[in-house]
Amino acid sequence: NFMLTQPHSVSESPGKTVTISCTRSSGSIASSYVQWYQQRPGSSPTTVIYEHKQRLFGVPDRFSGSIDTSSNSASLTISGLKTEDEADYYCQSFDSSTFWVFGGGTKLTVL
Amino acid sequence: VQLLESGGGLVQPGGSLRLSCVASRFTFSDFAMGWVRQAPGKGLEWVSGISIRGDRTFYADSVKGRFTISRDDSKSTLYLQMNSLRVEDTAVYYCAKDWFGERGPDYWGQGTLVTVSS
Repeated sequence: NFMLTQPHSVSESPGKTVTISCTRSSGSIASSYVQWYQQRPGSSPTTVIYEHKQRLFGVPDRFSGSIDTSSNSASLTISGLKTEDEADYYCQSFDSSTFWVFGGGTKLTVL
Repeated sequence: VQLLESGGGLVQPGGSLRLSCVASRFTFSDFAMGWVRQAPGKGLEWVSGISIRGDRTFYADSVKGRFTISRDDSKSTLYLQMNSLRVEDTAVYYCAKDWFGERGPDYWGQGTLVTVSS
């Protein structure tokens, strides 16, 4: 089993770029796809990125995903920040023995 | 894709509840499904998953032996039977559709609130 660790919170100004990291505790980050979800207050999560870097249909290209095997982590980068991007973001991956694994979530504040 | 959960409510510690999730606008039998919960003010926690055809089931350690996931493909419905409920099971429970090969959810329901309290 492995865990995914995210920063508790990040903040940035409108128009800027922010990156949220997701570090895998054991096993290679490249061994199973990472997904990213956005959850606005009072709403269900929605998928932003799947398969490390693919955007779900309708997600703006301001959102991008990547992995870095040297740090064993995945990243979600949001460019041209808008106030509507303010939300909680969760990374997720999977394991054949434990199904889905979620990170603890990162609160993004756009101020 | 539409996922509609029901069955949440207030229950005393030690009690039971059965959650249902009715799926529509996709071929339910072609996808694995899962339950994810979110305690008040907390993050997402995977609870349970079930494979296509239901031949394999998975549980988080926190619910193993108390919760049972099942599916009825003829009714496009996913279930979560929750027994021996604890105060710490209080959460919004989301039904989620797996996008492919048990890799992760792509669509989520609106959630149903389960409150365990005396």
